[in-house]
Amino acid sequence: KAGVTQTPRYLIKTRGQQVTLSCSPISGHRSVSWYQQTPGQGLQFLFEYFSETQRNKGNFPGRFSGRQFSNSRSEMNVSTLELGDSALYLCASSSETGMGTDTQYFGPGTRLTVL
Amino acid sequence: DAKTTQPNSMESNEEEPVHLPCNHSTISGTDYIHWYRQLPSQGPEYVIHGLTSNVNNRMASLAIAEDRKSSTLILHRATLRDAAVYYCILRGYLGADKLIFGTGTRLQVFP
Repeated sequence: KAGVTQTPRYLIKTRGQQVTLSCSPISGHRSVSWYQQTPGQGLQFLFEYFSETQRNKGNFPGRFSGRQFSNSRSEMNVSTLELGDSALYLCASSSETGMGTDTQYFGPGTRLTVL
Repeated sequence: DAKTTQPNSMESNEEEPVHLPCNHSTISGTDYIHWYRQLPSQGPEYVIHGLTSNVNNRMASLAIAEDRKSSTLILHRATLRDAAVYYCILRGYLGADKLIFGTGTRLQVFP
């Protein structure tokens, strides 16, 4: 099976712009989660989608949003970019049985730089 | 979400066993203990998980204390490729498909 893929891998934007990142989960996985990784805050949970519905959201401002399509592919959007949004954005998918044994499979991430 | 505590860094020599500790004194009875690792320039990858009994897989072993307030990830023979940040994470039996990462332990492996 192909792993989780994320596009683009690298992105440079300027303050005030918006950006859309894409994630394709492993075939058959219906849950997609997004994480932000920065040197200062580490890995932080952004949100999780399951069957096109956002089920959980982390503690991030409303500028961060996402959606999931019927084929389980997901996108996340960040509007009005700030310098502090520079980070590695990671997507993870799981088969999601709803139990604590679920394993998440991560993509390589999208490195976003805001100038 | 229950919190875990890990040492910031550890060192090992190649071919030696490595024991990575994790404290989780507020763990609930239904929390699973998961370990992930993140190699340089990669996304995290699953290592192992357990509930009460010790677990083994091809990558590592997980030793869980009898009171479940701590656990240890064991790499039986460290290789240079095992140099990574290792995260110990608690996941509830039912609930959100999200991982709450702590600061993890950065493992350095020397040849």
